[in-house]
Amino acid sequence: QKEVEQDPGPLSVPEGAIVSLNCTYSNSAFQYFMWYRQYSRKGPELLMYTYSSGNKEDGRFTAQVDKSSKYISLFIRDSQPSDSATYLCATHGSGNTGKLIFGQGTTLQVKP
Amino acid sequence: EPEVTQTPSHQVTQMGQEVILRCVPISNHLYFYWYRQILGQKVEFLVSFYNNEISEKSEIFDDQFSVERPDGSNFTLKIRSTKLEDSAMYFCASKGKASGEQYFGPGTRLTVT
Repeated sequence: QKEVEQDPGPLSVPEGAIVSLNCTYSNSAFQYFMWYRQYSRKGPELLMYTYSSGNKEDGRFTAQVDKSSKYISLFIRDSQPSDSATYLCATHGSGNTGKLIFGQGTTLQVKP
Repeated sequence: EPEVTQTPSHQVTQMGQEVILRCVPISNHLYFYWYRQILGQKVEFLVSFYNNEISEKSEIFDDQFSVERPDGSNFTLKIRSTKLEDSAMYFCASKGKASGEQYFGPGTRLTVT
């Protein structure tokens, strides 16, 4: 079983739509959860960083963590064409090394 | 806003040659990382570095790889004898504290011919 699973998509939505991106993970020791945005041939850009179960909101983005079902989500409200990118979920445990384990990434296209 | 920088942006080398990829982490950060991403695949952890030593490395990070922090600002990844399968994007990342956010550089695209 893969440690972090993510549907690669692609996901295509019209401008203004609410986007839901999801990941599942297998190891209950994972405690920190991140969402990164990656444009083609660029470095991952940190969008959201969460520790506990629950919701965290930042502008149009909301990250949700459900540790009981090992499920993490990223919601994007009022999606824009500039949101078109690959979205990576990542996690790590409590160890000090902080090694990140990434999902495959979901490619999102927002059409004007 | 502070950011991680990497040079060169693109490196082409012949199989068997040594390459050094350079990174300047965010200045007050203490934890440093290298990841790689083969085209179309997921980002994979290579190595973490803290307090001037490797704290964890993956199976990918074999004897052909080494890391160094030669001064207070640079963090380098050396591949001694490159193979075709080393062709990938290499990302440097850093963070300020154990539970902190990890920030990535723009990457170096390594092409081995």
